Formats: sequence, C-alpha cells, structure tokens
Amino acid sequence: QVQLVQSGAEVKKPGASVKVSCKASGYTFTTYYVHWVRQAPGQGLEWMGIINPGGGSISYAQKLQGRVTMTTDTSTRTVYMELNSLRSEDTAVYYCARGSGPIPSKWYFFDSWGQGTLVTVSS
Amino acid sequence: DIVMTQSPDSLAVSLGERATINCKSSQSVLYSSSNKNYLAWYQQKPGQPPKLLIYWASTRESGVPDRFSGSGSGTDFTLTISSLQAEDVAVYYCQQYYSSPTFGQGTRLEIK
Repeated sequence: QVQLVQSGAEVKKPGASVKVSCKASGYTFTTYYVHWVRQAPGQGLEWMGIINPGGGSISYAQKLQGRVTMTTDTSTRTVYMELNSLRSEDTAVYYCARGSGPIPSKWYFFDSWGQGTLVTVSS
Repeated sequence: DIVMTQSPDSLAVSLGERATINCKSSQSVLYSSSNKNYLAWYQQKPGQPPKLLIYWASTRESGVPDRFSGSGSGTDFTLTISSLQAEDVAVYYCQQYYSSPTFGQGTRLEIK
C-alpha cells in the first residue's frame, strides 16, 4: 500500500533552517508528484509547493518563494522540504502528500498523506 | 490564487441527522474539456493528517461510507453526510486543484 513516512519533530530558533524528509513506498516513486502542505496550530491547510520526484518540475507557493527548497533523492525514494530564515509563524505541522494523477498531470487531489512533522520555532 | 470559502465555520448536528457543508470558489473549477470539477473534500480528525473523502466534486474515495456525498459544479459545492455518526466528528476541508491548490478554511462538525 502507498505510504509516506516523514522525519521526526524539530525545534528551531528564529533565523535557522529546517529540513523535513518524506520517504515513499508502495508505488512507483517517479510516477506521481509530491506536494507539501502545512498547518499552523489550530489553523487550516496551506499548500507550500510541488515537486516531480524524478527531477525537473518544481513549483512553490508565491508566499514562500525564496525561503523554501524542495529536493528529491530517487535512490532512497525520499523527497525533502527545506525552509530557511524561520520565524515564529512557521511553527506548524508539515505534511507531504501524493498527487493522485500520474505525471505529467500536475494538479490533482491528494490521495495519500504523511503522518506530519511538527516544526516549532522558538527562541 | 483561487479563494475557497466554506460555510458554516462550525456545525452541530444530532446523531442520525443530516449535515451539510458548503464550499464556494472565487472562480469556476470546472475544466470544460473534461467536464470535470477539480474539487475535493477531506476529513481531518485531531492529531491526524487529512483523509480524502470525495474527488471530482462527487466521486467517493474507495472505503468511504456511502453516507458521504458531494455535489455541485462550477463555483458552488456541497458535502452532505446523510446520517451523522459519532465517528464523523471532525474538521472538513474543501480543496480546489484546478490550479495551484487552495483549501477552504475548514468546517468543524460536532454532535448536538
């Protein structure tokens, strides 16, 4: 079955960077886009960006442009999301999610989600 | 970006009664060439990731109980739970995937 397993919780100081991993299994890794979505405490869902795990196409939410970087490692079937210049408002649970449509169908609903990674930004 | 607006923000319904959640998009999410609405519904329980319920506005995900149904087209959509069960207490989100995805603010569903 499709599984996305994320790295553990992180505590970071303002101005630092965090890198969250998402390891995929149960399907052909390079066939489906992976998205990142975050959720601040008690708040709704915010889309952060999309990556083609096989390389090539990456798009980021305009709000995060310049601070977020998404990468992939096909040898370990893992995608990464790195967020720089952290501030308190970046405190959130970060999710990876699989887009259900096969590449090159970019915009699709999310049929599988990782368990979430809590990133806390605090001095 | 397409703005998604849900109503109400919270809802309390008696067990066995119908629950209705609305979602409106700031522009149409109907793709004319395929005649499909790029609209999904998710359920999120505390401490869990969202779970896909409905996609293409009205297609139920495998394993989702048939008391959940989706309807609507263009800019106006509805999620209906025909007979509320205790396990349906959750926050529900609509999402458009016509372009870079955006979500509604969520509707909290409780038991009356």
